[in-house]
Amino acid sequence: RKEVEQDPGPFNVPEGATVAFNCTYSNSASQSFFWYRQDCRKEPKLLMSVYSSGNEDGRFTAQLNRASQYISLLIRDSKLSDSATYLCVAGNAGKSTFGDGTTLTVKP
Amino acid sequence: EPEVTQTPSHQVTQMGQEVILRCVPISNHLYFYWYRQILGQKVEFLVSFYNNEISEKSEIFDDQFSVERPDGSNFTLKIRSTKLEDSAMYFCASSDLRQGLNYGYTFGSGTRLTVV
Repeated sequence: RKEVEQDPGPFNVPEGATVAFNCTYSNSASQSFFWYRQDCRKEPKLLMSVYSSGNEDGRFTAQLNRASQYISLLIRDSKLSDSATYLCVAGNAGKSTFGDGTTLTVKP
Repeated sequence: EPEVTQTPSHQVTQMGQEVILRCVPISNHLYFYWYRQILGQKVEFLVSFYNNEISEKSEIFDDQFSVERPDGSNFTLKIRSTKLEDSAMYFCASSDLRQGLNYGYTFGSGTRLTVV
């Protein structure tokens, strides 16, 4: 079983759509959770940290369910500029594991 | 905004040669990392470094790899005898650790290593 497993994708959506990404992690000792975005041939960039209480940043909402070891990311009103690969990350200070990523393409 | 700096951006080396990849982490960060990404594949953890020693390492980080913080600012990854399968993008990252929690990595723009 993969340590971090994401929806395989790809997701192709029209502008303005709402899209949800799901992720599960296998290590119950994980304490830190993140969503990163990665544009083609670029470094991953932190999108948001994920907390048990849930957190929102503009059009982006992240949720964590520790009991189910499940992380989600919701993007509302998607823009062309949201097209990227979204990476789910789980781990601790010393090591974090990245999922394979889910590619999103937002079309006009 | 503070950033992680990596040099060189691209390195081509012959199989069997040693390479050193260089990174300058964000100055007040405490944890430093190397990750790699083979073209078209996932981001893979190599090693983390804290308080001047290796904190954790993956199975990929075998005896051919080493890390060093030679001074107060640089963080290096050395591959002693490169193999074709070492060809990848190598990302350095640092993180701000508060109350024992990782608040997210800042990645450098990477070094693309090509072994020929």
